[in-house]
Amino acid sequence: ETGVTQSPTHLIKTRGQQVTLRCSSQSGHNTVSWYQQALGQGPQFIFQYYREEENGRGNFPPRFSGLQFPNYSSELNVNALELDDSALYLCASSFSGVNTEAFFGQGTRLTVV
Amino acid sequence: AQSVTQLDSQVPVFEEAPVELRCNYSSSVSVYLFWYVQYPNQGLQLLLKYLSGSTLVKGINGFEAEFNKSQTSFHLRKPSVHISDTAEYFCAVSDRGGGFKTIFGAGTRLFVKA
Repeated sequence: ETGVTQSPTHLIKTRGQQVTLRCSSQSGHNTVSWYQQALGQGPQFIFQYYREEENGRGNFPPRFSGLQFPNYSSELNVNALELDDSALYLCASSFSGVNTEAFFGQGTRLTVV
Repeated sequence: AQSVTQLDSQVPVFEEAPVELRCNYSSSVSVYLFWYVQYPNQGLQLLLKYLSGSTLVKGINGFEAEFNKSQTSFHLRKPSVHISDTAEYFCAVSDRGGGFKTIFGAGTRLFVKA
């Protein structure tokens, strides 16, 4: 148990719809990162939030957006869903600063049909 | 730009045999290196990390890895595997630590046979 919880665990959406995934950070952590893991691949960095602001972004289009709240929990929003968005979405929380370690949640399995 | 190459997509091995999972990285800056394990339908669990200091890093579950700067490698080893080690293993690199943008390899599926 890492103390990072994600909801929901599974989700099925239709192409073109919008989805919101949620992440509750480990107590005391102020940084949240989101990753997309397609089937049979390694996780790919989507973006990171630190103190409620985006603090780095990977190669994902603007329809992937996020929020971080004052309690450091976070949301990942995806608009205009495409079939290729089907994946496991992982949230990781950590302290800020170098030499830190990220703790991953169990993930949300999104299926777009 | 940083990248990670895991040289084997699948590694079958018999129980109690030794195993090595190979990882090469490229980076133009200082690196922090990680190995994660992922069991079916679960998130990632950190096995071990290299941040600085000794190049031989010991982790959980009897795993260890050696950082080799000249060969840009970070191979994972275990002297004797168990059935329960069957999982997907990911090598990863970051230029500032695990809490920052981390680049993952494609993964190596370790399959331990009885």
